[in-house]
Formats: sequence, structure tokens, C-alpha cells
Amino acid sequence: GQNIDQPTEMTATEGAIVQINCTYQTSGFNGLFWYQQHAGEAPTFLSYNVLDGLEEKGRFSSFLSRSKGYSYLLLKELQMKDSASYLCAVRDSNYQLIWGAGTKLIIKP
Amino acid sequence: ETGVTQTPRHLVMGMTNKKSLKCEQHLGHNAMYWYKQSAKKPLELMFVYNFKEQTENNSVPSRFSPECPNSSHLFLHLHTLQPEDSALYLCASSQEKDSGANVLTFGAGSRLTVL
Repeated sequence: GQNIDQPTEMTATEGAIVQINCTYQTSGFNGLFWYQQHAGEAPTFLSYNVLDGLEEKGRFSSFLSRSKGYSYLLLKELQMKDSASYLCAVRDSNYQLIWGAGTKLIIKP
Repeated sequence: ETGVTQTPRHLVMGMTNKKSLKCEQHLGHNAMYWYKQSAKKPLELMFVYNFKEQTENNSVPSRFSPECPNSSHLFLHLHTLQPEDSALYLCASSQEKDSGANVLTFGAGSRLTVL
């Protein structure tokens, strides 16, 4: 079956750096997405990776290794507003999106 | 108003009630989706519409009935629900359906509680 694994919850300190990992086993691969979802709000698109390597977008970066079935989202200079759930999703060979259960990130002062 | 708008934001219904969830997008997108989000579970795709035609129904019970009258509006009609149907129902839209870089734009969801 198809599966996405990510940690259920992580805690980090304001101003620090945190890395949220995502591993996947899917039937084919057509890209990996990260979404951010604040409590009670809509998930919003953060990043898309289809080739190996690091994509940087301000304080957020996303890395992909297709051979290892692995991605991470790196958040730098953490702010309290970064407290949210982070959803990893992979598009398989049929262009279906396979979702992880999300990682709840708690930022402490 | 831009983006994806869902109403109502909160809904409490009994098991014998009939209610509907509404979704509206002003992005000019051609594909619309219903997802179910339960605590600590992955998003579950329920239905997909592409150019107003239903293209996917992921074994969803018939007590959930989607309707897509035009490319901007999507409804989810609810009838004789069960308490385990309590969840956040998310609507999303995208420019097209089958594309690798296809980014979904989500609404804030309708929180449904079935008593």
C-alpha cells in the first residue's frame, strides 16, 4: 500500500531551527508538497519538490531525495506564528495525492 | 472575495437531519474537491469534479451526495449521517486535475458534529 510517515508532534523554541521529516512509499512519484495548516484554518501551500535537492523560500526550505523516498521541511528563525500543523503529500503515478497525517509544531518562547 | 469560501463554518446535526455544505471558489479553477479531515489522520479524498463532471468517488457512503452545478460552486448534501462522520470537511480547488505541479487551494472547512 501507499504510505506517508511524518512525526505526530514536535516542539521547538522561538528563534531556533526545526526540521520536519517525511518519508514515503508510493506507486510512482510526480512531486511532493508541503502545506501549512493553522488550527481552524485552511491548509496553505508552502512548497513543491519534484527534483532532488533543496528549494529555499525565505525562512522555509524543502529538501527531496527520490532515491531514499525522503523529504524534509526546514524552518529557520522560528516565530510564534509558525505554530501549526505541517502536511506532507506525494503525488503518485496516477496523479493521486497521498497525504501524511501531519506534524503539529509547537513553538515555545 | 477571492479564494475558496465554505459555509457554514460549523454545523451540528442529528442523525436524521438533512443539511448541505457549500463551497465557492473565485479563482477560475476547473477542478474542485471534497476532503474529510479527522484528528491525527491523513486527509481523505471523497469526491473530485473536473469541469463540472464527477471524476472520482472514493467509496464514499451514499449518505454523502455531492453536487457541482457550475465550475465555481460545489455542494455536499448530508443525509442520515452517523456520529463517526463528525469531522472537518474541506473543499479545495485547482487549476487542473491531473498535473504534477497542481497546487490545491483549500477553504477553511466546515466543522461537522453529528449527534
